[in-house]
Amino acid sequence: GESVGLHLPTLSVQEGDNSIINCAYSNSASDYFIWYKQESGKGPQFIIDIRSNMDKRQGQRVTVLLNKTVKHLSLQIAATQPGDSAVYFCAENDGADKLIFGTGTRLQVFP
Amino acid sequence: KAGVTQTPRYLIKTRGQQVTLSCSPISGHRSVSWYQQTPGQGLQFLFEYFSETQRNKGNFPGRFSGRQFSNSRSEMNVSTLELGDSALYLCASSLHGTDTQYFGPGTRLTVL
Repeated sequence: GESVGLHLPTLSVQEGDNSIINCAYSNSASDYFIWYKQESGKGPQFIIDIRSNMDKRQGQRVTVLLNKTVKHLSLQIAATQPGDSAVYFCAENDGADKLIFGTGTRLQVFP
Repeated sequence: KAGVTQTPRYLIKTRGQQVTLSCSPISGHRSVSWYQQTPGQGLQFLFEYFSETQRNKGNFPGRFSGRQFSNSRSEMNVSTLELGDSALYLCASSLHGTDTQYFGPGTRLTVL
C-alpha cells in the first residue's frame, strides 16, 4: 500500500521495549481524544480513547496519558511487537463533532 | 458485527470527470464522516452526516459534496476532478458522532 506520509517523524524501537508516542493538540476546548493505528493500505484502526475528565486510561498493552495543562497526549505501548509497526495518529474531538488529526508518527520495530 | 465498508476500493479517473464513492456504516451507526488523506496534508475532515443531514463541513471546495440515505449509507461526490484530488478517501461511522469513529479501508482515487 501507499505510504500515508512521506515525511513523518519516526520512532524506532527494539522488539520487547516500550514505546512512547507523543502528540500535542491544539484546542483547549477539545474534550475527547483518540489514538488510531494505520497500517499500510488500510484505514485507521481505533486503539484507545480518553475523555478530558481523565488523565490516564489503560488498555491491553497500551496506556494513554492526557496532560490538559500543556495540551499533550501520549500513547505508551508495552513490550512492543513487530505487529505494532504502523503510523499512529492522535485525534481530538473539537467539541463540534469533528475529529482533528495530528500529523502522525511512524513506529518501526526492529528485532 | 460487520465493519465499515467502502466501494470501490480503487478508482482511476481523468481530470474533469466526476466520481461517486460509497460508504456503508456499521449497523446501528447513524453518523458518517468523510476524510481525505494525502501524504502532504495528512488526514483532513470533509464532512459529517447524521440522520441524513450534513452536520459539519470541512474546508473543501463545493466540488466535494455528499449525502446520506435513510439506512445511514452515505455517498460522496467529487465533480470536475483535479490532479490534486488524488488521495485515499476514508469513511468513518459512529453511533452519534461525538463518540468513537470506526474507519473503513478507504477508496484510493487516482486522477490522471
